[in-house]
Amino acid sequence: EVQLVESGGGLVQPGGSLRLSCAASGFTFSDHYMDWVRQAPGKGLEWVGRTRNKANSYTTEYAASVKGRFTISRDDSKNSLYLQMNSLKTEDTAVYYCARVVDSHVFDYWGQGTLVTVSS
Amino acid sequence: SYVLTQPPSVSVAPGKTARITCGGNNIGSKSVHWYQQKPGQAPVLVIYYDSDRPSGIPERFSGSNSGNTATLTISRVEAGDEADYYCQVWDSSSDHNVFGTGTKVTVL
Repeated sequence: EVQLVESGGGLVQPGGSLRLSCAASGFTFSDHYMDWVRQAPGKGLEWVGRTRNKANSYTTEYAASVKGRFTISRDDSKNSLYLQMNSLKTEDTAVYYCARVVDSHVFDYWGQGTLVTVSS
Repeated sequence: SYVLTQPPSVSVAPGKTARITCGGNNIGSKSVHWYQQKPGQAPVLVIYYDSDRPSGIPERFSGSNSGNTATLTISRVEAGDEADYYCQVWDSSSDHNVFGTGTKVTVL
């Protein structure tokens, strides 16, 4: 059974940093692209970014709203995905989901999400 | 950047058909995927590549895509279909994924 479990969310002050993790199980993690998607309270889904697999050199892409502040990485030996968030803003407050990608752009499995609150 | 527009809400009586549109410039040339999200839960894939259904998704869910509009159709609507629905495409020009604005389906 495919499982994705996010952790690391919490309350952080504006300008602060936070690192989210996503633990994967039930599939060959190293084969897949993995993405982060977020959802601000009461709002829609917003794509944050992705890391491709080893076969595609672990390249990354980011939404314009987070580029230069957020970094996505992965550790295939630990079946884990990470999101390092720096220079956080109040508008980064959201539930952050990790999602498995198939065929380059279909999100077939999602984690339950972890809440990040940026507030003073 | 590529924009996907959905109606904020759709209301439908039980047993009737709900149609949710997703508008985008020449969206018919892209592959559209649809997600269902119930309150407090993660999204679930219900349609991929315009009209394919993942295993476990009822045949009542179907999709189409042509011109500037993609459509998710829910036939014989049930109370359990009440949720937010999002369309999604991959924008090749930016190599980014894009989600629609979302549609809240209310079962009367």
